[in-house]
Amino acid sequence: NAGVTQTPKFQVLKTGQSMTLQCAQDMNHNSMYWYRQDPGMGLRLIYYSASEGTTDKGEVPNGYNVSRLNKREFSLRLESAAPSQTSVYFCASSVSSGGSYEQYFGPGTRLTVT
Amino acid sequence: GENVEQHPSTLSVQEGDSAVIKCTYSDSASNYFPWYKQELGKGPQLIIDIRSNVGEKKDQRIAVTLNKTAKHFSLHITETQPEDSAVYFCAASTEGNFNKFYFGSGTKLNVKP
Repeated sequence: NAGVTQTPKFQVLKTGQSMTLQCAQDMNHNSMYWYRQDPGMGLRLIYYSASEGTTDKGEVPNGYNVSRLNKREFSLRLESAAPSQTSVYFCASSVSSGGSYEQYFGPGTRLTVT
Repeated sequence: GENVEQHPSTLSVQEGDSAVIKCTYSDSASNYFPWYKQELGKGPQLIIDIRSNVGEKKDQRIAVTLNKTAKHFSLHITETQPEDSAVYFCAASTEGNFNKFYFGSGTKLNVKP
């Protein structure tokens, strides 16, 4: 099992450019999440998908959109990147049933917006 | 919404000493508290968790304690080793609303050999 995979690992964008961060999991998990990590601020939830076909906003959704393409894949799109979106982005997944709530994280995507 | 505060932001200990990281939360409905370890360049990984019906949980050299009345919980690492050096995050969540974890700001632990 590869677990949670993310592409790309690194990306540099100019202000106003768009891009999609890809995430896939091979653990047959129901729920998937996108977080951003900024220095001194921990991990903040951008969007999540409780199950295939549903998505919901987290704490900091402005400037982002998501698509739960199927049970395995959950993508995050920046339509018009801004310097404030410079961050490390983590995708995570969880079973979210049967008393198991552990979230499994991918290796992250480091995004710089100039 | 929930607010989780974590202290200290950095912690330096000598190998073999103990390390304690503390978190407080604001929402009395929170009842699930995981701790994650993040090594350099990697994603966070769960190391231990506790539910609100338990006051303490141990797993070898790590333990977590929970005080529901005071709304705080702590991570204890005994006999620290250099490989314990990492960033540690606490989180709080409400089972039933399990999709939302609220994370603390992280503690960078440095274990000096």
